[in-house]
Amino acid sequence: DAGVIQSPRHEVTEMGQEVTLRCKPISGHDYLFWYRQTMMRGLELLIYFNNNVPIDDSGMPEDRFSAKMPNASFSTLKIQPSEPRDSAVYFCASGETYNEQFFGPGTRLTVL
Amino acid sequence: GQQLNQSPQSMFIQEGEDVSMNCTSSSIFNTWLWYKQDPGEGPVLLIALYKAGELTSNGRLTAQFGITRKDSFLNISASIPSDVGIYFCAGLLLAGSYQLTFGKGTKLSVIP
Repeated sequence: DAGVIQSPRHEVTEMGQEVTLRCKPISGHDYLFWYRQTMMRGLELLIYFNNNVPIDDSGMPEDRFSAKMPNASFSTLKIQPSEPRDSAVYFCASGETYNEQFFGPGTRLTVL
Repeated sequence: GQQLNQSPQSMFIQEGEDVSMNCTSSSIFNTWLWYKQDPGEGPVLLIALYKAGELTSNGRLTAQFGITRKDSFLNISASIPSDVGIYFCAGLLLAGSYQLTFGKGTKLSVIP
């Protein structure tokens, strides 16, 4: 099994630009999660989906962030416009249940 | 939201020594999870605990779900160099929707 696949692994962009992060969950997993990790705030859950439907987006910091899951094998997290404080590592995770989540390798985002 | 206090923040130990770390909260949880994160990778689930008082082992790792449901500990016996990494606890509360809170992590360094 390939595990959770995220792309790109690294992204450097300038303030104001749109950023799109991509995730392919493990086949058969009904849950998909987006997290953000920073030194200051640790690991934060942004949003999660169940069967492609967004269930809880209370962790999304503001309207500049949006996430979609058009089908069971693909999800995106978009930031528009990006700001330097968005710099972080963004993780996608998937699971058969909410409890046991398998994380991807992450996307390191740097906004200049 | 819930707050998790994870301690210690970091530790340096000699290879072969046992390690203990814990998480406490002012809130109760339904599930406690322990993850390990290697540099440049996503967290990997080590142990999941579902009942108060539950003691579960995974190789050299042992974790317990506190009786009060407000704390959990993780022990690593006979540490080896590949135990190096950051260990995270996470508490899961089911209250309407799932609410997962991560601790800030314990950074473990093992001196050969």
